[in-house]
Parts: sequence; structure tokens; C-alpha cells
Amino acid sequence: GDSVTQMEGPVTLSEEACLTINCTYTATGYPSLFWYVQYPGEGLQLLLKATKADDKGSNKGFEATYRKETTSFHLEKGSVQVSDSAVYFCALSDVSGGYNKLIFGAGTRLAVHP
Amino acid sequence: NAGVTQTPKFQVLKTGQSMTLQCAQDMNHEYMSWYRQDPGMGLRLIHYSVGAGITDQGEVPNGYNVSRSTTEDFPLRLLSAAPSQTSVYFCASSQGSGNTIYFGEGSWLTVV
Repeated sequence: GDSVTQMEGPVTLSEEACLTINCTYTATGYPSLFWYVQYPGEGLQLLLKATKADDKGSNKGFEATYRKETTSFHLEKGSVQVSDSAVYFCALSDVSGGYNKLIFGAGTRLAVHP
Repeated sequence: NAGVTQTPKFQVLKTGQSMTLQCAQDMNHEYMSWYRQDPGMGLRLIHYSVGAGITDQGEVPNGYNVSRSTTEDFPLRLLSAAPSQTSVYFCASSQGSGNTIYFGEGSWLTVV
């Protein structure tokens, strides 16, 4: 079945450092891809998405490009802030069976220090 | 601007007790679902519904019941709580297949 693999955390960075969180997927079709973020004590928020190959999703300085050839959707940010500390989840949509459900990776915890 | 609302936010249960996690959405979404989040495993789908009166099982349905009597509400029932059901539960909704899925803020459940 479909699956998502994320790099293990935690990832610890200093403020203004560059961030890359790797995400690869296995899918039989052409799913949409998502990054969700969970801040401490809060629920999941959609960070960005891409619906087809070569699409780039972006939001709040974060970017990810849908790479069909490498089945990847890596999350990047050029300069992280302390407020970016959170858990980041990569996910794909599975619409088999007529229902739009999400398959999640295990999550990557990011800690940014001043 | 409520979106998806879950209650309660925190709950402690004793083994064998039953309870219901409430979920309501005000976006007139057809699709609703429940996920559980466990450390190192991401979120896994418990049950879902594609409209009022229609429900189906997800990846980890055992020990949970759902019903969908209205478009707005999708409660999750734990029939006889077990420590293995200690988790964070998220309700979600979307307009339909292929549309963005919106999540509630989560319900932290501990079974002792």
C-alpha cells in the first residue's frame, strides 16, 4: 500500500540556519502531497501542498517541490526562527475506495535555538 | 471562524470505562474522519464518513464506534477503554475527495 517515509528527528538548529526535512513516498497513483505542522500543545495545521508533479508548494517561507522522478517532497526553509519549532508531518492523499484519506509519515520534530 | 471543534481536549479514563469524543464542523463538509496519533507512527485513520448515515472503517477501527446522524457531527465512542487507546485523537473534515483536509485541535486521552 501507499506509504510515507520521513527523516527521523529530532532536528536541532540555530536560528537563521537552513532547514531540509526529507520526505519520500510510495504510491500506486499520483497522489497530492502535503506538509502539516503541529506546534506544541496544538492540532495539525496545513503548511503547504502540491497536487501534481513539479508543483511547488510554499507558505511562511517554507517550500517543497513534488518530484515524481525521485518520489520525494522535501521541506525546505532558508532561515529558520525559534517560532518554527514544531513537529512536521509529510502526508499523501489516498483516494482509493472513493474516500480522501491521508497517509502520514512518522513526523519530524524541529527545535530551533536562539 | 470555528472550523472543526473537538471536545473534550483532555480526558483521563479508567480501564473498562466508556466515553464519547465529540466532533463538530461548521463548513458543511461531506467527509469527516477520526485519526489517532501515537509517538513515532504519525496519524492513523480510525473511521471515516462520506456523508450523513454513511460510515466505514479505517486502518485501526477496533475498540471504536462511530455514527453520522447529521452533516455537522461525527462522534467517536470508546466502548470499553484500554491502555492501548491512550493517544491523541484528531477529527478532520473535507469538502470531498481531493479537497484539503482540515483538522481539529486534538483530544488528549489517557487510559489508566
